Amino acid sequence: AQSVAQPEDQVNVAEGNPLTVKCTYSVSGNPYLFWYVQYPNRGLQFLLKYITGDNLVKGSYGFEAEFNKSQTSFHLKKPSALVSDSALYFCAVCPKGYQKVTFGTGTKLQVIP
Amino acid sequence: DTGVSQDPRHKITKRGQNVTFRCDPISEHNRLYWYRQTLGQGPEFLTYFQNEAQLEKSRLLSDRFSAERPKGSFSTLEIQRTEQGDSAMYLCASSLGQGMEDTIYFGEGSWLTVV
Repeated sequence: AQSVAQPEDQVNVAEGNPLTVKCTYSVSGNPYLFWYVQYPNRGLQFLLKYITGDNLVKGSYGFEAEFNKSQTSFHLKKPSALVSDSALYFCAVCPKGYQKVTFGTGTKLQVIP
Repeated sequence: DTGVSQDPRHKITKRGQNVTFRCDPISEHNRLYWYRQTLGQGPEFLTYFQNEAQLEKSRLLSDRFSAERPKGSFSTLEIQRTEQGDSAMYLCASSLGQGMEDTIYFGEGSWLTVV
């Protein structure tokens, strides 16, 4: 069975500082990995995904994520945080060739002006 | 392309009543997914369709839940004899259906409150 762990319920960062939201996963075989963002009372918006290839994936709104197979991690990063980045972030995993995507419990990002 | 559309956005119902949610996927998307999200949790997979065929159902989808996609376009999720534990946001999503290299796009969700 696949699973995702987001060890931090909340991350606080000052505006303009770099941010990292952590994610580790467990899956059989090669993983497909995703990050989504959710604003209050809204659906999920796709940020980026790792399928294969370069371990550093660039996505929407200046976000990027680094796939680390040995550490089974897929941390989300951004060089300079904006107040508007404040939201709930979900990491998700799916085994290659499978359709069921499993989400983590989410990390609330608070960017402080 | 207006994205994944869900209706209604909010529904309050009395325990024991039936409710139905509708999802219109992005046009030309072959795959359609239903997820459920409760407060403080990530979305949980319920079921998915490839065109009109329902290919997988989660154990979370009890006998009171039924999903259909009769013509391979829109989908409905019906909950019969609702219980308070059914209160959640029901998310619909769609993708092109080209393996997992395509991206799953979510709708805004349908909030259900059972009183």
